[in-house]
Amino acid sequence: NAGVTQTPKFQVLKTGQSMTLQCAQDMNHNSMYWYRQDPGMGLRLIYYSASEGTTDKGEVPNGYNVSRLNKREFSLRLESAAPSQTSVYFCASSAFGLAGGNTGELFFGEGSRLTVL
Amino acid sequence: AQSVSQHNHHVILSEAASLELGCNYSYGGTVNLFWYVQYPGQHLQLLLKYFSGDPLVKGIKGFEAEFIKSKFSFNLRKPSVQWSDTAEYFCAVRRGSNYKLTFGKGTLLTVNP
Repeated sequence: NAGVTQTPKFQVLKTGQSMTLQCAQDMNHNSMYWYRQDPGMGLRLIYYSASEGTTDKGEVPNGYNVSRLNKREFSLRLESAAPSQTSVYFCASSAFGLAGGNTGELFFGEGSRLTVL
Repeated sequence: AQSVSQHNHHVILSEAASLELGCNYSYGGTVNLFWYVQYPGQHLQLLLKYFSGDPLVKGIKGFEAEFIKSKFSFNLRKPSVQWSDTAEYFCAVRRGSNYKLTFGKGTLLTVNP
């Protein structure tokens, strides 16, 4: 199993450019998440999707949009990149909420390092 | 808003020393608690978790954590650290049935050989 796969792994953008980070999971999980990681700030939740067809804002949603394309895929879009969005982005998925009392741990992708000049 | 506090930003130990990393959270209701580890250049991996039952939980690689409800704490411990434990450690909390998982800012552990 591949688990959670993110693409691209590295990206350099100029201010104002747009891009989409792709995420796919093959564990049949219902919930998916996008976090950003910055030094000294830990992981901050950008958006999450509790199930296919739903998305909700996290702590730091401004400047981002998401799409839950189907159960497997959850993309993050930067419409007009800013230097403040330079970060490492992690996608994660979880079986939390599924029947069976799953403990709901998050499984993370390898991360996408984005630099905005 | 719920918050998760990790009081130690950077901990430096020698091999074989004992480790305790603090984690406190601010929500008073039912919580699910997690510790994740991030080795240099890698993604986060689960060390251990608490949902219910015995408040002392054991995880991988000899780590354990104790949930003390009265203190809103979930401290991570290991009796004897190794150089390979050098990593960043994150505490995370889920509030009840909420889908969101809130992370602390992390503690960087450096173990000197």
